[in-house]
Amino acid sequence: KNQVEQSPQSLIILEGKNCTLQCNYTVSPFSNLRWYKQDTGRGPVSLTIMTFSENTKSNGRYTATLDADTKQSSLHITASQLSDSASYICVVSDRGSTLGRLYFGRGTQLTVWP
Amino acid sequence: EADIYQTPRYLVIGTGKKITLECSQTMGHDKMYWYQQDPGMELHLIHYSYGVNSTEKGDLSSESTVSRIRTEHFPLTLESARPSHTSQYLCASSATWTADNEKLFFGSGTQLSVL
Repeated sequence: KNQVEQSPQSLIILEGKNCTLQCNYTVSPFSNLRWYKQDTGRGPVSLTIMTFSENTKSNGRYTATLDADTKQSSLHITASQLSDSASYICVVSDRGSTLGRLYFGRGTQLTVWP
Repeated sequence: EADIYQTPRYLVIGTGKKITLECSQTMGHDKMYWYQQDPGMELHLIHYSYGVNSTEKGDLSSESTVSRIRTEHFPLTLESARPSHTSQYLCASSATWTADNEKLFFGSGTQLSVL
């Protein structure tokens, strides 16, 4: 069964600290994996996309990694800010085309305290 | 900032009422979607469209219907609302002609409460 599991379910950190969010998937075939950020009361916004051949990709203070062999991805946030408080959703695609299907994780709720 | 808009943002309505959730995008995207999201749960696809006059049901069984008469407009209608329809409804769009054709642009959502 194709699934996307995220951990932890929720996380509280202090401003300025780093954190890492995990995403494990069983989706097959695998095309790509995307991380979205969803602020409270808003729709998700794409942060980064990882394809099969990519191991690491950075977007500002966000760094995503992908291990296609173990089917794991992580999102590392450096020097967290209050505005990083949000839900982070991992989404895996099985074909990478208009016919592909997207599998969503339940998200990790991150809270950054001052 | 995505150019996709949903109205209303919040809706509280009684059981049995007919409602329409509006979604419009100004990016010229051909593909549009409706997702349902409950707190702490994953997004579930309820409807999608590849273009004008094209609509398909998604993975989650839904009593709602959609229409796509214009490229930019993708409204969702519930003929008779029930408390079980209480949820957050998210509209999204994507452009199939781009290299990153699965990147979804989401609206801010409609939080529906049926009493």
